[in-house]
Amino acid sequence: SQTIHQWPATLVQPVGSPLSLECTVEGTSNPNLYWYRQAAGRGLQLLFYSVGIGQISSEVPQNLSASRPQDRQFILSSKKLLLSDSGFYLCAWSVLGTNSGNTIYFGEGSWLTVV
Amino acid sequence: AQSVTQLDSHVSVSEGTPVLLRCNYSSSYSPSLFWYVQHPNKGLQLLLKYTSAATLVKGINGFEAEFKKSETSFHLTKPSAHMSDAAEYFCVVSVGGSYIPTFGRGTSLIVHP
Repeated sequence: SQTIHQWPATLVQPVGSPLSLECTVEGTSNPNLYWYRQAAGRGLQLLFYSVGIGQISSEVPQNLSASRPQDRQFILSSKKLLLSDSGFYLCAWSVLGTNSGNTIYFGEGSWLTVV
Repeated sequence: AQSVTQLDSHVSVSEGTPVLLRCNYSSSYSPSLFWYVQHPNKGLQLLLKYTSAATLVKGINGFEAEFKKSETSFHLTKPSAHMSDAAEYFCVVSVGGSYIPTFGRGTSLIVHP
């Protein structure tokens, strides 16, 4: 069966510090990978998605970046965090099926507080 | 293009009473539709999905949803609410070949004892 791991679960970072959130998927190959952000009390905002190694699409211009160094690894980064980067970050994966829609499966999330 | 509207931002029920969370969608093509549940400080968990098979879809924890093409709706129901059902619920629409599903803004389900 497929599993998704995301870490760290929580972190508190000062303004201007760097960020690295990591996500790995097991039990499938060539998944689509996603990073979402959820601000407190709000819906989900798609930040990045990737359909293959080295292929990153950005949905929202900001000071975050994403990389996919391996097939099942997705990393969210920032060189200098802003207060507005605080939120709940969710990694997700899917395998596009012609008859089953694009079912997305989520990790447990990472709480980021920028202070 | 596709869109989804969750008609209620909050729904409040008493334990043991029925639950109805409403979702309407818009899609240029035959859609796939999903409901997810999110408990506080957790990721989203897939409750159920419709992918052009049976229009009445049964999911986990006693939830079900009915796809009604004529009404462009995919409402989520449960006959009897439990305290553990208190959570945020998201309706999602996706069309074949699209990498990016569209999420509703969520409905917060509150269950009173």
